[in-house]
Amino acid sequence: GENVEQHPSTLSVQEGDSAVIKCTYSDSASNYFPWYKQELGKGPQLIIDIRSNVGEKKDQRIAVTLNKTAKHFSLHITETLPEDSAVYFCAASTEGGSEKLVFGKGTKLTVNP
Amino acid sequence: ETGVTQTPRHLVMGMTNKKSLKCEQHLGHNAMYWYKQSAKKPLELMFVYSLEERVENNSVPSRFSPECPNSSHLFLHLHTLQPEDSALYLCASSLERGRGGYTFGSGTRLTVV
Repeated sequence: GENVEQHPSTLSVQEGDSAVIKCTYSDSASNYFPWYKQELGKGPQLIIDIRSNVGEKKDQRIAVTLNKTAKHFSLHITETLPEDSAVYFCAASTEGGSEKLVFGKGTKLTVNP
Repeated sequence: ETGVTQTPRHLVMGMTNKKSLKCEQHLGHNAMYWYKQSAKKPLELMFVYSLEERVENNSVPSRFSPECPNSSHLFLHLHTLQPEDSALYLCASSLERGRGGYTFGSGTRLTVV
């Protein structure tokens, strides 16, 4: 089955710097890659996703890149703010196939003012 | 609020108790999920319901019993739990099973004493 590895497990940056979180997946059939942000006391919230027919997607300060050959995808947050502090999860699934979302273990991002 | 509501937010129960967790969504989604979130572990998928029919049970012990009376409501009935079952239990929904992003509730923090 699918296995998703996520790094780093913790990340600390200064406000205004960029943050990058990386994930690798094992199942070459995976074609859907969402990213979730979980703030303290809340459930994970979808912040951006990408499908395997594109290599990059951007939404304001957040971007996701996908390298299908290497089977890895990354979340990039630019001009970080203290409110970006949270745990971020990547996930992978095969839409139209196994359909099961497999999550990484999460990255705790701290943005220091 | 994400549109997925979970109650109660917190629950403390003894190992001999019987309790139920409730999840409700009015997003028009046809698939609903139960996840277990423990510290330092990936999100663990427990059950999947699609159009009120259970389509997946990930080797979950029988002390956890799901129920989906209609497409808007999902329950998780608990009985004779163990301390290691203490975790955050998250409900999620999606438009269709395995398609698109999931919308998560805020979870029920369960403590078994």
